[in-house]
Amino acid sequence: DVKVTQSSRYLVKRTGEKVFLECVQDMDHENMFWYRQDPGLGLRLIYFSYDVKMKEKGDIPEGYSVSREKKERFSLILESASTNQTSMYLCASSPPRQGPIQETQYFGPGTRLLVL
Amino acid sequence: AQRVTQPEKLLSVFKGAPVELKCNYSYSGSPELFWYVQYSRQRLQLLLRHISRESIKGFTADLNKGETSFHLKKPFAQEEDSAMYYCALDTGRRALTFGSGTRLQVQP
Repeated sequence: DVKVTQSSRYLVKRTGEKVFLECVQDMDHENMFWYRQDPGLGLRLIYFSYDVKMKEKGDIPEGYSVSREKKERFSLILESASTNQTSMYLCASSPPRQGPIQETQYFGPGTRLLVL
Repeated sequence: AQRVTQPEKLLSVFKGAPVELKCNYSYSGSPELFWYVQYSRQRLQLLLRHISRESIKGFTADLNKGETSFHLKKPFAQEEDSAMYYCALDTGRRALTFGSGTRLQVQP
């Protein structure tokens, strides 16, 4: 059973703080993703990583950075948190494509971040 | 650019009624589509994928390339189907493109 865990379920931070969200997967997946989930906007991709130290920007990377030093761990960093980054953050992982079709993404439970 | 549109934010039906959750996509190539579901207090998970042509929990979805749609259907809704449903598009990029989601409420 794939397990994707996120370091915190709830987090409260102040504007301007540096925030780290951690995600760990135990299935040796190459691909890892960070999304934010907002009502009416669905899931929007922030960054993804397809290998250690490799990353690509998603649709809304502004104000975020990521780190992937080990295969199992993918960190999302808010360099200077702002109130518009209050959201639910979802991490996901997936194995690499075996053919033309993308493999299933497995999601973590989410981190609800409130920036005051 | 690729896009997924789910026009309904909320769909409310009575138990036993048919359900159709709409999904339209824009992509000029040959798409592959997925439905993901999030039940209350559970994590987001795959419900079904177009390529598998399967029925999961009584749900089916047919890809209509002419109408660029991938609507999710179930003939008789159950209360346990209440959840948030997301349609997602694979265009060959490394990541999926998700729609904005539809909340399905099945009333007793």
